[in-house]
Amino acid sequence: KQEVTQIPAALSVPEGENLVLNCSFTDSAIYNLQWFRQDPGKGLTSLLLIQSSQREQTSGRLNASLDKSSGRSTLYIAASQPGDSATYLCAANPYSGNTPLVFGKGTRLSVIA
Amino acid sequence: GAVVSQHPSWVICKSGTSVKIECRSLDFQATTMFWYRQFPKQSLMLMATSNEGSKATYEQGVEKDKFLINHASLTLSTLTVTSAHPEDSSFYICSARDIVAGGVDTQYFGPGTRLTVL
Repeated sequence: KQEVTQIPAALSVPEGENLVLNCSFTDSAIYNLQWFRQDPGKGLTSLLLIQSSQREQTSGRLNASLDKSSGRSTLYIAASQPGDSATYLCAANPYSGNTPLVFGKGTRLSVIA
Repeated sequence: GAVVSQHPSWVICKSGTSVKIECRSLDFQATTMFWYRQFPKQSLMLMATSNEGSKATYEQGVEKDKFLINHASLTLSTLTVTSAHPEDSSFYICSARDIVAGGVDTQYFGPGTRLTVL
């Protein structure tokens, strides 16, 4: 059974700092891995999706990497801003088909101005 | 990109009443939709998988008679919380599966429904 773990659970950084959020998964046989952002009381916003054949994806100040062999993914946020404050969720898609995503518990990020 | 809507966005009801939540895929057809539940400061937990035209598959510990799921069309799935109680208060999120151009299989999430049972 796939399990997803995110470290740290919470993180507070000063504005402008570069930071890394970590995600690990127990079963390397994944179809893809996705990073989401969730603001308090809101739904999910998809940030980046990495296919199993890819090593990384980039969007603006965000860069996500995937290392299937070690069961790890990282989300790198450059030059953090207060508007980046949110909970970041990592989710593994075990298989293409009628399979739900397996979510980690998230990392609550606070960027202090 | 694909859009999934949920209605209502929030609902407050009295204990013992039933509440229906709708999940719609607006610009694509979804043969499979998923229902998740999220308690405060917790991650999303899958409740059930909804397949168009067939019975939903429920996760262990989720009462199928309490959480009724109907996926009557390729663009609509409904979750009905029957005889709701305060412990059912939660954030309910649906997702719909789509295969986009290039064969990428992904899920799109609705904005969620906040249920508060008094």
